[in-house]
Amino acid sequence: QKEVEQDPGPLSVPEGAIVSLNCTYSNSAFQYFMWYRQYSRKGPELLMYTYSSGNKEDGRFTAQVDKSSKYISLFIRDSQPSDSATYLCAMSLFGNEKLTFGTGTRLTIIP
Amino acid sequence: EAQVTQNPRYLITVTGKKLTVTCSQNMNHEYMSWYRQDPGLGLRQIYYSMNVEVTDKGDVPEGYKVSRKEKRNFPLILESPSPNQTSLYFCASSYQVGVGETQYFGPGTRLLVL
Repeated sequence: QKEVEQDPGPLSVPEGAIVSLNCTYSNSAFQYFMWYRQYSRKGPELLMYTYSSGNKEDGRFTAQVDKSSKYISLFIRDSQPSDSATYLCAMSLFGNEKLTFGTGTRLTIIP
Repeated sequence: EAQVTQNPRYLITVTGKKLTVTCSQNMNHEYMSWYRQDPGLGLRQIYYSMNVEVTDKGDVPEGYKVSRKEKRNFPLILESPSPNQTSLYFCASSYQVGVGETQYFGPGTRLLVL
């Protein structure tokens, strides 16, 4: 069993829809949770960063962490074609030193 | 412009022929790291460096070497490449290791070992 599980998709939704992306994990010691966005033929870029359980909002993006269920989510509101990318979850014990990544979910927003 | 650069971007080589992938950052970052990305396996860390002359193994270090003689450069060396090292490689850097520090990724190097 992988430490971090993420549905690879692909996921296609119409423009303007709310997108929900999720990861589950097995290591209860993870404390830091991140979402990266990766456009085709590019390196990942950090989108959201949260510590422990709770919600964090940044514009159209909301990250949720439920440590009791070992489940994290990223919500994208009013999705745009420019949001089409692969979304990777990542988590760590102590910050950014050693990240464990999910396999990524490929998202396409249909105009 | 703040960035992480990698060279080459694409490389085709043959089994056993030593190669080096360079990584350079212009942000005076202390922490640098190498990852490989494979379908169905995601990003996996190969090696990382906390500062000059300080390196340590990640999750998949076998078959790779690194060195950190200067703060800005962190080359990845494959002494004797094998086909199972065919992958997409990313270098990343951050100001330092710690909470809230963002890792900046390079554009990637696509390697094919025949």
